[in-house]
Amino acid sequence: DVKVTQSSRYLVKRTGEKVFLECVQDMDHENMFWYRQDPGLGLRLIYFSYDVKMKEKGDIPEGYSVSREKKERFSLILESASTNQTSMYLCASSPLGRSTTYEQYFGPGTRLTVT
Amino acid sequence: QKEVEQDPGPLSVPEGAIVSLNCTYSNSAFQYFMWYRQYSRKGPELLMYTYSSGNKEDGRFTAQVDKSSKYISLFIRDSQPSDSATYLCAMNKGGYQKVTFGTGTKLQVIP
Repeated sequence: DVKVTQSSRYLVKRTGEKVFLECVQDMDHENMFWYRQDPGLGLRLIYFSYDVKMKEKGDIPEGYSVSREKKERFSLILESASTNQTSMYLCASSPLGRSTTYEQYFGPGTRLTVT
Repeated sequence: QKEVEQDPGPLSVPEGAIVSLNCTYSNSAFQYFMWYRQYSRKGPELLMYTYSSGNKEDGRFTAQVDKSSKYISLFIRDSQPSDSATYLCAMNKGGYQKVTFGTGTKLQVIP
């Protein structure tokens, strides 16, 4: 069974803080993704990575950065948290490389509140 | 206009009913079409995927893709209370292309 874990289920941070969200997958997947999910807007892609030390911007990368130093771990960083980054953050991974980005396995999500 | 449109619901049906969930899309380059199910306070899980047009059946679930109309559907037969969840359609162009998700339809199956 594929397992994607996220470091926290709930997180409360103050405006201006640097926030780290960690994601780990245990199935040796090459591809990893970070999304945020908001009511009425659905899932929006922030960043993704097809390999270690490789990253690509998604649809809404502003205010975020990522790090992938090991294959199994993909971190999302909010450099200076703002209230409009209050959201549910979902990490996902997918197997192989080129042809299976559609088959994504999601973690349980981190509900981040920025006050 | 969003690339993928999905009615948010909520959709409420009695147990045993046939459920029809739908999405429309605007980008004719989409080739892979997926349905994800998301239970409350959980991440989405892949239910089914279809490549190009046609039907695909898996137990009580049937996915249909009509590329000429840019319309996809998920049918659930003999719906159960355990089917109560939010259903997200999703699609991509294949290769390294990102997946575009619908906003999800919330389904409630009443015992």
